[in-house]
Amino acid sequence: EVQLLESGGDLVQPGGSLRLSCAASGFTFSRHAMTWVRQAPGKGLEWVSVITGSGVTTKYADSVKGRFTISRDNSKSTLYLQMNSLRAEDTAVYYCAKDPDTTGYSYNHFDYWGQGTLVTVSS
Amino acid sequence: DIVMTQSPDSLAVSLGERATINCKSSQSVLYSSNNKNFLAWYQQKPGQPPKVLIYWASTRESGVPDRFSGSGSGTDFTLTINSLQAEDVAVYYCQQYYSTPYTFGQGTKLEIK
Repeated sequence: EVQLLESGGDLVQPGGSLRLSCAASGFTFSRHAMTWVRQAPGKGLEWVSVITGSGVTTKYADSVKGRFTISRDNSKSTLYLQMNSLRAEDTAVYYCAKDPDTTGYSYNHFDYWGQGTLVTVSS
Repeated sequence: DIVMTQSPDSLAVSLGERATINCKSSQSVLYSSNNKNFLAWYQQKPGQPPKVLIYWASTRESGVPDRFSGSGSGTDFTLTINSLQAEDVAVYYCQQYYSTPYTFGQGTKLEIK
């Protein structure tokens, strides 16, 4: 059974940093691209970042480029999102999501999502 | 960036009736080399993560009831829910994965009339 478990969400002050983790199980982690999607309270879904299965290629939304870094440790089946220079508008539930393709590349829908972790940026 | 626009923003349908949600992309999401539309539909219930219903615009995800169907090509797409059930109350999102940044529609809230 595929499971994605996010952690690391917290209350942080503007300008602060946070690292989110997504522990994966139930599939061969290194074969799948992985994505972060966020959802501000009461709002819609916003794609944040994607990383290929090898970790070589990453892409970001303009709203987080230069501040967030996606990475993965395939030996630990874990996805990360390092978030720096946090702003109030980064307040959201952050979901990790799995790409169904086993080539490790992206350009697919997301077939499994975690339950999300809440990041609140406020003084 | 490809902008995804859904209509309507909210919808109330009687139990057993049909619900139709539309999604329009600002540019085509049809990839000519494989003739696939890079378009998915998700359902999100309160307090839960999104769940994929349809991908490649019309392929139903395993386990999704066949009352859910997707259609359309290029820039115009439709999610149809036949014989609406109480458990279908949710927010529905379309999403393009043709190019990054992947983008979602603003969501359509479906309620029971």
